Amino acid sequence: EPEVTQTPSHQVTQMGQEVILRCVPISNHLYFYWYRQILGQKVEFLVSFYNNEISEKSEIFDDQFSVERPDGSNFTLKIRSTKLEDSAMYFCASSAWHEQYFGPGTRLTVT
Amino acid sequence: KNQVEQSPQSLIILEGKNCTLQCNYTVSPFSNLRWYKQDTGRGPVSLTIMTFSENTKSNGRYTATLDADTKQSSLHITASQLSDSASYICVVTRPADGLTFGKGTHLIIQP
Repeated sequence: EPEVTQTPSHQVTQMGQEVILRCVPISNHLYFYWYRQILGQKVEFLVSFYNNEISEKSEIFDDQFSVERPDGSNFTLKIRSTKLEDSAMYFCASSAWHEQYFGPGTRLTVT
Repeated sequence: KNQVEQSPQSLIILEGKNCTLQCNYTVSPFSNLRWYKQDTGRGPVSLTIMTFSENTKSNGRYTATLDADTKQSSLHITASQLSDSASYICVVTRPADGLTFGKGTHLIIQP
């Protein structure tokens, strides 16, 4: 069964560094999403992406964040200058229509 | 403010017993309501999706109900199994893409 994959599974970075989180959505899906979940808290929507552009973003998704679909398969989330409070699980999801399929997540630890 | 409130926060039941989880929401406008199961350290997995016109939807031992008038939903789990131990998250979608997540109910099934 097709699934969303994410790499790396765990990323440790120093405050102020740039990180790129990678996702490979399900191949025939057209809608892509990033969410984050701070430890012990609820999942929060960051951004949705369709037709090579952002369709919606939350107030969390500020100028430090960007998304890109550099080729036909990858969907990336870049954080330009990480802060301690960016430490969280980051989930990628994709959908063909309503049903969103989530990846296993990348645990980002900012030290 | 768009919110999703879930109760109880945590629940412990014996294997084989039934349980019901509650979700109240204030999200408006409303597109659909979803229940997800999230195992620790994993991405959420969809259980059910209901539009405002649907009152109930089943997926195996999981049955979700929706009352769009009172903005309440429930998830009923029948004949619980040890593998049902997880967080169960109520998610409400607005016509735009963003999902509003509840904090989840942490369910523990004891043998």
